[in-house]
Amino acid sequence: EIGLTQSPGTLSLSPGERATLSCRANQSVSNSYLAWYQQKPGQAPRLLIYGASSRATGIPDRFSGSGSGTDFTLTISRLEPEDFAVYYCQQYSTLPRTFGQGTKVEIK
Amino acid sequence: EMQLLESGGDLVQPGGSLRLSCAASGFIFSDYAITWVRQAPGKGLEWVSAISGSGGSIYYADSVKGRFTISRDNSKKTLYLQMTSLRAEDTAVYYCAKGPSAVAGMGRGWYDCWGQGTRVTVSS
Repeated sequence: EIGLTQSPGTLSLSPGERATLSCRANQSVSNSYLAWYQQKPGQAPRLLIYGASSRATGIPDRFSGSGSGTDFTLTISRLEPEDFAVYYCQQYSTLPRTFGQGTKVEIK
Repeated sequence: EMQLLESGGDLVQPGGSLRLSCAASGFIFSDYAITWVRQAPGKGLEWVSAISGSGGSIYYADSVKGRFTISRDNSKKTLYLQMTSLRAEDTAVYYCAKGPSAVAGMGRGWYDCWGQGTRVTVSS
């Protein structure tokens, strides 16, 4: 099973700032089979990024993903008020699929 | 518009059983693998089970293997999760989520459409 560790646990930033979220795997995620999701309180997760760097349909270009192997990053270039939420990474390289524990992006 | 709608969540005693349903609309149901993902109160996401578009390939997390059964009825555009021998640690919101293809076990295992979730509480 591939374990995913996200850091930091909480990121306190102001609107307009840049957010950098990390997801580290305990073994290589082949073919960059990694996705990122956003979840707001009381809502289902929403797909942001798949294949480590491909934006899902309708996702603004301020969201970008990068990385390969064991180290992946989600960057939000300029935080909008609606971006304050919890973000999860997920690998689909192997079964069982696994998720990171989440990074909460909160308003400073 | 693609939509998934879960139902069947309830309060159940430890050792009890429950069947969850996930009704799909807005896409050709049989063309896509569907997955159950759960989220315990205040916790992160946990992958539970997946089924291919045809229903011929099925996968489970170790935590539910032997207790949960995933199935689908493509004629009714509905996914099911039969849960037995329920434990307190099964308490969670259960989401169904659609994959980008009919294959469940190979790559392309991200989830591009999620239901709103149904709550299962296991408690005496």
